[in-house]
Amino acid sequence: DTEVTQTPKHLVMGMTNKKSLKCEQHMGHRAMYWYKQKAKKPPELMFVYSYEKLSINESVPSRFSPECPNSSLLNLHLHALQPEDSALYLCASSQLGGRYNSPLHFGNGTRLTVT
Amino acid sequence: ELKVEQNPLFLSMQEGKNYTIYCNYSTTSDRLYWYRQDPGKSLESLFVLLSNGAVKQEGRLMASLDTKARLSTLHITAAVHDLSATYFCAVVTNSGGYQKVTFGTGTKLQVIP
Repeated sequence: DTEVTQTPKHLVMGMTNKKSLKCEQHMGHRAMYWYKQKAKKPPELMFVYSYEKLSINESVPSRFSPECPNSSLLNLHLHALQPEDSALYLCASSQLGGRYNSPLHFGNGTRLTVT
Repeated sequence: ELKVEQNPLFLSMQEGKNYTIYCNYSTTSDRLYWYRQDPGKSLESLFVLLSNGAVKQEGRLMASLDTKARLSTLHITAAVHDLSATYFCAVVTNSGGYQKVTFGTGTKLQVIP
């Protein structure tokens, strides 16, 4: 069982829709991540939050808007997506603390299809 | 830009055989993770390698890290069908207290009975 919970598991949306992906963890981790994974490819980093502040934005288009309301929650707001944005979106969390950073713990992902 | 390359990209092997997956990366790092991903599933953490010369073993899998050569290996001993999955190495770079984790290209392992 994963300790990082993502909802929904599947999402189909049109190019004019607005939707949100949600991620929750209760491990006390202070870093949270969004990755995008296309079929047969490795996960690609999108955003990193540390202590609820955006630390990394990997030049992600503005149609993806992350939000970290508190240390347990991470959202990804989607608007005006393109069909090529269809992918598995993975949320992860980890401890922070320099040398004591932990590996990333991943959720089960949201499989997004843009029509 | 950090590049993390694995080889082979695809590996088909018979049960009982041994093989090694290689992970090369292009920048200085002293921390590397190995993950497993089953089809349609999320990523499962296998190993955390924290320094040069680190070696970790779990069952039929053993991982090592050579930071000077910028190389990690995942060795499979006496493969069984249950090991069939895609394996990713992931290189960690640090900045400002948080970690940036970049995944390798992945190796799809198929173990044939």
